[in-house]
Amino acid sequence: RKEVEQDPGPFNVPEGATVAFNCTYSNSASQSFFWYRQDCRKEPKLLMSVYSSGNEDGRFTAQLNRASQYISLLIRDSKLSDSATYLCVVNKWDTGNQFYFGTGTSLTVIP
Amino acid sequence: GAGVSQSPSNKVTEKGKDVELRCDPISGHTALYWYRQSLGQGLEFLIYFQGNSAPDKSGLPSDRFSAERTGGSVSTLTIQRTQQEDSAVYLCASSLIRQGSAEAFFGQGTRLTVV
Repeated sequence: RKEVEQDPGPFNVPEGATVAFNCTYSNSASQSFFWYRQDCRKEPKLLMSVYSSGNEDGRFTAQLNRASQYISLLIRDSKLSDSATYLCVVNKWDTGNQFYFGTGTSLTVIP
Repeated sequence: GAGVSQSPSNKVTEKGKDVELRCDPISGHTALYWYRQSLGQGLEFLIYFQGNSAPDKSGLPSDRFSAERTGGSVSTLTIQRTQQEDSAVYLCASSLIRQGSAEAFFGQGTRLTVV
């Protein structure tokens, strides 16, 4: 079983729409959680960390449910510039700081 | 520089040749990671360094692949006798090791094409 599972999409949404991505992880000992964004032919870059209490950064909201081992990302008022692949990432730092990446969810925002 | 630096940015090589890919992590980052990404695919973990040692090299696809890190800084990924299926983008990342949320920072990658 993969450490991190994501729906690959693609998600095609109109500008202004709200879209949600979900991710599950298999190891309950996972300790840090992130969403990364990867543009076409570019390296992944951190979008936001995910905290247990949930956190928001502008139009982006991330939530973590440790009991269900589930992470989500909500994007409100989608912009054309949000088109990218979104990677769910979990980190275990007590056994060597290993990062586990999901395969990514593709988002295209349509004018 | 302030970020993770990889070289070369592009490499075209003939099948059967050896190649070396270089990663210069962010200064002070003790953890270093190599991944590869084929077109349209997700990240495939190759190897992880903590300092100069590699506690997890489980992702290296064959004994043609090896990596080393010296001085707790620069790392080199070597692919011997390259094959066409080795063509991919090779990404390096570095991170602090600390309790709490420590993100991984990526270099821009080396695009390897084996012809």
